[in-house]
Amino acid sequence: GAVVSQHPSWVICKSGTSVKIECRSLDFQATTMFWYRQFPKQSLMLMATSNEGSKATYEQGVEKDKFLINHASLTLSTLTVTSAHPEDSSFYICSAREGLAETYEQYFGPGTRLTVT
Amino acid sequence: DAKTTQPNSMESNEEEPVHLPCNHSTISGTDYIHWYRQLPSQGPEYVIHGLTSNVNNRMASLAIAEDRKSSTLILHRATLRDAAVYYCILSGSGTYKYIFGTGTRLKVLA
Repeated sequence: GAVVSQHPSWVICKSGTSVKIECRSLDFQATTMFWYRQFPKQSLMLMATSNEGSKATYEQGVEKDKFLINHASLTLSTLTVTSAHPEDSSFYICSAREGLAETYEQYFGPGTRLTVT
Repeated sequence: DAKTTQPNSMESNEEEPVHLPCNHSTISGTDYIHWYRQLPSQGPEYVIHGLTSNVNNRMASLAIAEDRKSSTLILHRATLRDAAVYYCILSGSGTYKYIFGTGTRLKVLA
């Protein structure tokens, strides 16, 4: 099956600093990538959708200036959490989709655990 | 976005079949039904998906009601490794977004 990787798998940063998380599709080209956030014992919450070469579309309530998303190539998307605060500590998961037809599935990365101290 | 309703938790004995239900009464004609599962501290894993007809793959079977307002994920012989949170998700044409509900936490008893 299709493989999606994330880097780093975990990161600890100090409050006020920025952190970048990478999401790569390893064996397919992803026309669309998605970013999710998951708090402990909760479900995944979609943050944004990004198409290669276009600006990301953010879900309601997600601050676009705080969560910067770049999808510069068909295999790489990055999420930068700017001026991180302890409440941004969460499990961040990306997914990638190969095509636009409804039959294409989303394949998820293993997640990145962010802890802001 | 069409919503899904699943039981919060279910239990099964090892090597027994498991039927995980999902209600989606507001499904539209073009919505696909997807099932994923998530182990602790991991990203969701694709299980199966379908549109109208029942589907089988090496992991599971998906039974879709004739009116498409409900579906059932069938694990033919549960193993301890199948213990996870199972999510039933609808995606419609044009959006491709997945809106995750609360899912069903499956516990498999040895």
